[in-house]
Amino acid sequence: GAGVSQSPSNKVTEKGKDVELRCDPISGHTALYWYRQSLGQGLEFLIYFQGNSAPDKSGLPSDRFSAERTGGSVSTLTIQRTQQEDSAVYLCASSLAGGAHEQYFGPGTRLTVT
Amino acid sequence: AQTVTQSQPEMSVQEAETVTLSCTYDTSESDYYLFWYKQPPSRQMILVIRQEAYKQQNATENRFSVNFQKAAKSFSLKISDSQLGDAAMYFCAYRSPGPSGTYKYIFGTGTRLKVLA
Repeated sequence: GAGVSQSPSNKVTEKGKDVELRCDPISGHTALYWYRQSLGQGLEFLIYFQGNSAPDKSGLPSDRFSAERTGGSVSTLTIQRTQQEDSAVYLCASSLAGGAHEQYFGPGTRLTVT
Repeated sequence: AQTVTQSQPEMSVQEAETVTLSCTYDTSESDYYLFWYKQPPSRQMILVIRQEAYKQQNATENRFSVNFQKAAKSFSLKISDSQLGDAAMYFCAYRSPGPSGTYKYIFGTGTRLKVLA
């Protein structure tokens, strides 16, 4: 596809379960970002991947959150032992590196923890 | 640490009128980039306009323009001839190269723009 895609679009899970959220960036984009957007809030940075460099994980809120990017393309954000406060929209974005290149966002995954 | 502040949670504008959304930021860096993103109710975030800090000229994209005041650390967005399709959440974002070459974005909390017919 031409844009960033995310799956699933919606996910309802029970408290304590693990979830995996997937992001397919635009082909050729070396930078990939994950954000969390709670209701009525701005975007909270979670993690950033750039090429083969070590990811910037400074935004991950706890060790229950992890992410990986395989082959420099698809990324998976994993939340273990989900809590109700994890309920939010999780947005993925990709971009070319450097300069004033913009981020291209996916449609997001709405996660609801019951 | 860098911060981005949008002090207007919500704004309204009459169709065809002009509205200005405010954004201020705090940084000790001299080289950085600023962006305005739009998030319609459909949730897909799209870029509206960008500004390189080293450029003194304000960026313009059709009906959208910015007033970039580097010394004041202000980056407001002006929307002229507002249209119903402009109704959305608008986010101001700051980006700089990090110490190890990373490019982390910092977003404001957003301004919800309503356009009145």
